[in-house]
Amino acid sequence: GENVEQHPSTLSVQEGDSAVIKCTYSDSASNYFPWYKQELGKGPQLIIDIRSNVGEKKDQRIAVTLNKTAKHFSLHITETQPEDSAVYFCAASKGNSGNTPLVFGKGTRLSVIA
Amino acid sequence: GAGVSQSPSNKVTEKGKDVELRCDPISGHTALYWYRQSLGQGLEFLIYFQGNSAPDKSGLPSDRFSAERTGGSVSTLTIQRTQQEDSAVYLCASSLDSGPARGYTFGSGTRLTVV
Repeated sequence: GENVEQHPSTLSVQEGDSAVIKCTYSDSASNYFPWYKQELGKGPQLIIDIRSNVGEKKDQRIAVTLNKTAKHFSLHITETQPEDSAVYFCAASKGNSGNTPLVFGKGTRLSVIA
Repeated sequence: GAGVSQSPSNKVTEKGKDVELRCDPISGHTALYWYRQSLGQGLEFLIYFQGNSAPDKSGLPSDRFSAERTGGSVSTLTIQRTQQEDSAVYLCASSLDSGPARGYTFGSGTRLTVV
């Protein structure tokens, strides 16, 4: 089955700097790659996703890149702010018609230092 | 409702007792998922309900775990004879179940502590 590896497990950056979180996946049939942000005491919240037919997607300060050949994808957060501090999860699935369960990485705890 | 609702938010139970966790998905979402999040770990898939199809139970860790979804809406996850290693946050999510894959909406979870 699919296996998703996520690095680093913890990341500290100064406010205003950029943060990058990387994930690799094992199943070349995977075609959907969402990223979730989880704040303390809350469930994960979808922040951005990318499908296998594109290489990059941006939404304001966040962007995701996908390299299908290498089977890895990354989350980029620019101009980090203290409210970006949270645990971030990457995930992968190969749903086509309908959904198949997402396989998640183990998460990255991001701390933005003011 | 506006979001995925889970109850209770916290549950402390004695080892060996049975527990039931409830999930109320977003109205109209036909897919429902249960995940388990242990301390410092990622989200572990447990079970997936898709419309009227038989559920995908491939992630359930033992036969002490079961789940049902009544009327295509509310779901209950039952853990029988709880063990200390069952302590975790149990997360429910729902999504539309048509067209290409899409992200889920998660509830806030039930924190289960087995003492």
